[in-house]
Amino acid sequence: EPEVTQTPSHQVTQMGQEVILRCVPISNHLYFYWYRQILGQKVEFLVSFYNNEISEKSEIFDDQFSVERPDGSNFTLKIRSTKLEDSAMYFCASSEARDSGGWNTEAFFGQGTRLTVV
Amino acid sequence: SQKIEQNSEALNIQEGKTATLTCNYTNYSPAYLQWYRQDPGRGPVFLLLIRENEKEKRKERLKVTFDTTLKQSLFHITASQPADSATYLCASPSKGIYFGSGTKLNVKP
Repeated sequence: EPEVTQTPSHQVTQMGQEVILRCVPISNHLYFYWYRQILGQKVEFLVSFYNNEISEKSEIFDDQFSVERPDGSNFTLKIRSTKLEDSAMYFCASSEARDSGGWNTEAFFGQGTRLTVV
Repeated sequence: SQKIEQNSEALNIQEGKTATLTCNYTNYSPAYLQWYRQDPGRGPVFLLLIRENEKEKRKERLKVTFDTTLKQSLFHITASQPADSATYLCASPSKGIYFGSGTKLNVKP
């Protein structure tokens, strides 16, 4: 069964360093997302990406963050100058399409990258 | 501002009973709602989607209702099993998908 894969599963980084989280969405999917979940808290939307551009972003997704689809398979989240409060589980997700009404269909999530900033 | 809210208290039920989880939304009218399951340390898994013009949706032991008057969706698991123990998330669409805080369900044998 197709799945979203994320690497690495766990990343430890020094405060102030840059990290890149990598995702391979399901191959025929067109919409890609990044979410984060701080331990014990809700899953928070960061950004959605379609047709090689950001289609929506939350207030969390500030200039510290950027996304890229560098080739036909990978989707990356870059976090510049990491802070302690960036420590969280980061989930990548993808969905196949929107339906005729423009509504998002189900999203498939990866297993996440646990980012620890020390 | 738009809000999607779930009961943050855990729901504890006995095996075989029906679990009912609630999702309320305020200050907007979503075209549909989704329900996901999340196990500890893992990503959410899609379960069901219900549109605003659908009153009820079923999938095996799962049932979702959508009441646009009450601004509420109910998620039911019938004949619950310990394996159903997890956190259940209600999600609302936009160009992203926004999640409620989730309700943890504990099914005791």
